[in-house]
Amino acid sequence: DAMVIQNPRYQVTQFGKPVTLSCSQTLNHNVMYWYQQKSSQAPKLLFHYYDKDFNNEADTPDNFQSRRPNTSFCFLDIRSPGLGDAAMYLCATSRDGNEQFFGPGTRLTVL
Amino acid sequence: AQSVTQLGSHVSVSEGALVLLRCNYSSSVPPYLFWYVQYPNQGLQLLLKYTSAATLVKGINGFEAEFKKSETSFHLTKPSAHMSDAAEYFCAVIPGGFKTIFGAGTRLFVKA
Repeated sequence: DAMVIQNPRYQVTQFGKPVTLSCSQTLNHNVMYWYQQKSSQAPKLLFHYYDKDFNNEADTPDNFQSRRPNTSFCFLDIRSPGLGDAAMYLCATSRDGNEQFFGPGTRLTVL
Repeated sequence: AQSVTQLGSHVSVSEGALVLLRCNYSSSVPPYLFWYVQYPNQGLQLLLKYTSAATLVKGINGFEAEFKKSETSFHLTKPSAHMSDAAEYFCAVIPGGFKTIFGAGTRLFVKA
């Protein structure tokens, strides 16, 4: 089945230690998104790629960066995680900005 | 700016009872509208979508939603709640471009 895969499902890191979250897709969608979701809140868009074009949300901290080496993969890098960055991180894809398909998420814990 | 309002952050129903989750959107033109469901520690799953083909939209798991332009509403219903329906539900709109605007979410509790 075509799908969005996120690895790992659970990630524990230490305060200030860089961490990378991974997303891959077999849907061949041209748009990929990264969201941060905290408990009992809606997902908050961090950035998205339209093909290779990177689009950062205005309020996304500089601490968050992303890479999309090819159509199938997208990475979220958190350079110096703080306690406030503990959250669920969701990857999603879409064809030309239509309905989004989500991965299962990576829950990040910062110690 | 586009917005989505979900009335009620928590809704509790008894098993077998009607489920009604409310969503209103702000838009001057009919947008693309969606309902997503999220189970604990999972991503969002698309329940149904409105794309102007029909005002009554049927989705998965027995859910449906009706687009009412005059009320700018897109409420989600299910005739008979099941314990497995307990989850967080998000109404969302694509106003244009590549972004999706999500409502704040409604947590559905189902009592035995």
